[in-house]
Amino acid sequence: GAVVSQHPSWVICKSGTSVKIECRSLDFQATTMFWYRQFPKQSLMLMATSNEGSKATYEQGVEKDKFLINHASLTLSTLTVTSAHPEDSSFYICSAASGTNSYNEQFFGPGTRLTVL
Amino acid sequence: GQNIDQPTEMTATEGAIVQINCTYQTSGFNGLFWYQQHAGEAPTFLSYNVLDGLEEKGRFSSFLSRSKGYSYLLLKELQMKDSASYLCAALDSNYQLIWGAGTKLIIKP
Repeated sequence: GAVVSQHPSWVICKSGTSVKIECRSLDFQATTMFWYRQFPKQSLMLMATSNEGSKATYEQGVEKDKFLINHASLTLSTLTVTSAHPEDSSFYICSAASGTNSYNEQFFGPGTRLTVL
Repeated sequence: GQNIDQPTEMTATEGAIVQINCTYQTSGFNGLFWYQQHAGEAPTFLSYNVLDGLEEKGRFSSFLSRSKGYSYLLLKELQMKDSASYLCAALDSNYQLIWGAGTKLIIKP
């Protein structure tokens, strides 16, 4: 099956710093990438959808200036959490699909656990 | 509003069968996914149903009734490694995934 990687797997940072998370599709071209956040014992919450070469579409309530998404190529998308605060501590998961919407099977990355001190 | 309901937690015995139910209310419907998620890991795809009926895939089967807004995931011959959360997600008319909160399945020897 398709493989999606995320880097880093976990990160601890101080409040006020920025953290960049990379999501790569290793063996297929991902037209669409999705970024999710998951708090403990809760379901996935879609943050944004990004299509290669265009601006990301953010879900309601997600600050686009705080969570910067770049999808510069068909195999790489990045999420930058700017000026991170303790409430941003969460499990961030990306997924990639070869189609232009969620209809196509999404392949998930292993996730990045962010802890903001 | 759009909503997915599934039990929070279930317990079953190794070797037994368990059925995890999911009901959904979405604006339009384009199919239902089941994902497995082990603690601290990302979800992995199990099944996709868009037509009514049962689809079997090894030890796992998934059922859909569109008229009832209902699906279930059936796990047979349970193994300890099946202990995980099982996420139900429905695809609405805009092809957006609406996620359930997940069912934590605990397998006991």
